[in-house]
Amino acid sequence: QVQLVQSGAEVKKTGASVKVSCKASGYTFDDYFIHWVRQAPEEGLDWMGWVNPKSGATMYAQKFEGRVTMTADTLSKIGYMDLTWLSSFDTAVYYCARSFYPLTGTTSLPGYWGQGTLVTVSS
Amino acid sequence: DIQMTQSPSSVSASVGDRVTITCRANQAINKWLAWYQQKPGKAPKLLIYGTSSLQSGVPSRFSGSGSGTTFTLTISGLQPEDFATYYCQQSHSFPLSFGGGTKVEI
Repeated sequence: QVQLVQSGAEVKKTGASVKVSCKASGYTFDDYFIHWVRQAPEEGLDWMGWVNPKSGATMYAQKFEGRVTMTADTLSKIGYMDLTWLSSFDTAVYYCARSFYPLTGTTSLPGYWGQGTLVTVSS
Repeated sequence: DIQMTQSPSSVSASVGDRVTITCRANQAINKWLAWYQQKPGKAPKLLIYGTSSLQSGVPSRFSGSGSGTTFTLTISGLQPEDFATYYCQQSHSFPLSFGGGTKVEI
């Protein structure tokens, strides 16, 4: 079965960076996008972007452009999300999710989710 | 960017009730609408994709409908495990966007 296991909680200082990992199993890693979505405390869901593990191509939401980097290691089947210049507004649970449709699909949406990684930013 | 608006933001219901949640997009998104269920402290779970297709393993009491800009999620015969927050999401174009959520509570 599809499983995504994320790295553990992080506490960071304002201005620092954080890198969250997402270990995939149960499917062909190269054939599906990895999406990243975050959720601030008591807030809704905020899509950050995706990475195509096969090509390395990425698409980011404009609000994160310049601060986020999404990558994928096809050998170890791990996706990564790196966010720089952290502020208190970045305190949130960060989720990775495998796309529901394969890379060749007409569209892409998060289908199978990791357990989430809490990132806390304080001064 | 496409904005998604859900209503109501919360609804009080009882076991056995029929609950309907509405999601509106500020432009046409064809059939590219999905619904997720999220319970406290847990990751969202995909319930419905392509407006009305049920994800594998999702009970048939969940159904979705709509087209263009207005969509609905219906839970027919609410069960105790259905008390949760529900989000709609469009995948017509990037950036993907979610509705603000609807909390279904007792």
